[in-house]
Amino acid sequence: GEDVEQSLFLSVREGDSSVINCTYTDSSSTYLYWYKQEPGAGLQLLTYIFSNMDMKQDQRLTVLLNKKDKHLSLRIADTQTGDSAIYFCAERGTGTASKLTFGTGTRLQVTL
Amino acid sequence: SQTIHQWPATLVQPVGSPLSLECTVEGTSNPNLYWYRQAAGRGLQLLFYSVGIGQISSEVPQNLSASRPQDRQFILSSKKLLLSDSGFYLCAWRDGGSTDTQYFGPGTRLTVL
Repeated sequence: GEDVEQSLFLSVREGDSSVINCTYTDSSSTYLYWYKQEPGAGLQLLTYIFSNMDMKQDQRLTVLLNKKDKHLSLRIADTQTGDSAIYFCAERGTGTASKLTFGTGTRLQVTL
Repeated sequence: SQTIHQWPATLVQPVGSPLSLECTVEGTSNPNLYWYRQAAGRGLQLLFYSVGIGQISSEVPQNLSASRPQDRQFILSSKKLLLSDSGFYLCAWRDGGSTDTQYFGPGTRLTVL
């Protein structure tokens, strides 16, 4: 079945860039997503990328997709303390139910 | 605009007791609806999804069940809770437009003692 992997933890200093990585196995993925989860809250959609794109930029966020290597990354420029959260990548394969497969999440800690 | 609600926000239940968690969506019609569970420190596991009223698909065998009595209402139930049912339960609805995105509710924190 599909599998999505992420590193568990990342620590960066305020003002630096953060890069969160994700690998997936489903070569038929159509969309890939990044969600943010703050403590005790639901998941907030940050951005998404269609599988025929290599890059997408949205303000401080840059998503890079290497479809050959099945590697997705999220870069957060000028990381702020408010960016501290768990970040999940998810992939949507083919199929009418639009089910998502999530990674285990990367906890981003922003230090002063 | 669309909003998704979950009730209750937190719940503490004894082992063996029943469970009913509710999810409602506003501002859309005939959405796909999903129940996920997030165990402590882990990712999301899809439990159930529904593409329409009365249509439920189960992803994992367990002592939980789901129902969709109305178009925008999705209920997660159990007759007898287990300790392993503790977790954070998230409901989501799917925007079937160009981005095909799932949007999540605020979640219910369930503790089974």
